[in-house]
Amino acid sequence: GAGVSQSPSNKVTEKGKDVELRCDPISGHTALYWYRQSLGQGLEFLIYFQGNSAPDKSGLPSDRFSAERTGGSVSTLTIQRTQQEDSAVYLCASSLGPPGRGDEQYFGPGTRLTVT
Amino acid sequence: GNSVTQMEGPVTLSEEAFLTINCTYTATGYPSLFWYVQYPGEGLQLLLKATKADDKGSNKGFEATYRKETTSFHLEKGSVQVSDSAVYFCALRASGAQKLVFGQGTRLTINP
Repeated sequence: GAGVSQSPSNKVTEKGKDVELRCDPISGHTALYWYRQSLGQGLEFLIYFQGNSAPDKSGLPSDRFSAERTGGSVSTLTIQRTQQEDSAVYLCASSLGPPGRGDEQYFGPGTRLTVT
Repeated sequence: GNSVTQMEGPVTLSEEAFLTINCTYTATGYPSLFWYVQYPGEGLQLLLKATKADDKGSNKGFEATYRKETTSFHLEKGSVQVSDSAVYFCALRASGAQKLVFGQGTRLTINP
């Protein structure tokens, strides 16, 4: 079956513009995660959804970052007024259910965001 | 807080060499431990996992044993291949938590 998909694969934007990144999880997966991979910070957690609710938003770096999930499926990560330090690869992952011991998170290919 | 420290790279080996990538963690309770791999141009893939002390995860010739006493989860392979060239990430998920906490990654290059 299809894996986690993300779009766009690459996005170049000017500083100050807003961007939206999309994630389509594996069908039937109720848990969805956003991570960010950057040279300076490594791989860091941003937000976790269970269904359409986000019980853990602790990794969002500032109030310029927000995310939503609709229909228990597609998720959108929005970055407002982008800054150069937002340049990174944004990864989405999904897993079958609420995290239990050993639940595997399946990762998408990522969206490479470059802020000029 | 929870954290993962892994061996700094890059690591360069010859084909058929023995591989060890060290990983140690800090966490309360009993986290689940993972190794993920990122091949060139591809997304992160789960390589192996262990969910309790003394468990051994294994896949594709790679092994790692969950050592509670040394808070370690070192990755080993007896004979590496050129196709093993990738970036390897050690990660933990704390008991009762959802997010993965990753180490900084180790880039491995295998020369023929």
